[in-house]
Amino acid sequence: QQPVQSPQAVILREGEDAVINCSSSKALYSVHWYRQKHGEAPVFLMILLKGGEQKGHDKISASFNEKKQQSSLYLTASQLSYSGTYFCGTEGPGNTGKLIFGQGTTLQVKP
Amino acid sequence: DAGVIQSPRHEVTEMGQEVTLRCKPISGHDYLFWYRQTMMRGLELLIYFNNNVPIDDSGMPEDRFSAKMPNASFSTLKIQPSEPRDSAVYFCASTPAGANYGYTFGSGTRLTVV
Repeated sequence: QQPVQSPQAVILREGEDAVINCSSSKALYSVHWYRQKHGEAPVFLMILLKGGEQKGHDKISASFNEKKQQSSLYLTASQLSYSGTYFCGTEGPGNTGKLIFGQGTTLQVKP
Repeated sequence: DAGVIQSPRHEVTEMGQEVTLRCKPISGHDYLFWYRQTMMRGLELLIYFNNNVPIDDSGMPEDRFSAKMPNASFSTLKIQPSEPRDSAVYFCASTPAGANYGYTFGSGTRLTVV
């Protein structure tokens, strides 16, 4: 079952922060985050495994609440290069390797 | 490494014709996935392979779609006969060992069926 992302779209000014949420109705083994720019392929940002860990990558970080089956992506001090569509991909229990992607959140950063 | 290589980049075909999309995964990656992306349905998993063996094809829309992976370095997705509703971007992705690593996506094939 497809995870639900919120919000669907965000418009920011450079330097502002944003949070993108991903929620699943099923138990999760892992959550992935990807960014896709227009006309390009999705690019892997980070993976979070069950255990409630939090990861960071430059000014982009994420958390995973296994009990709530939710993950959040945090973008701080946004840059123009952060613009794109962000997808979470969820993997159910069993470490199957199979990801189901959310519908995406479009982020636009303006100067 | 050249990454995941897909061909062709663009394909325009007439309804009823056979279409074959090709993918070369990254060497050493055990898993290969085929996804379809449309505005309405987003990124849909069609089928995936582990060590050249199809594991889950429950996302394949109907019998018109078929996929093969004859060896570790090549996979095909075939649509026969094609229909206008098959128009989409088809991505191939690979990963070394399950989902403990991120997927690497190919550049995609934009298919237009007229």
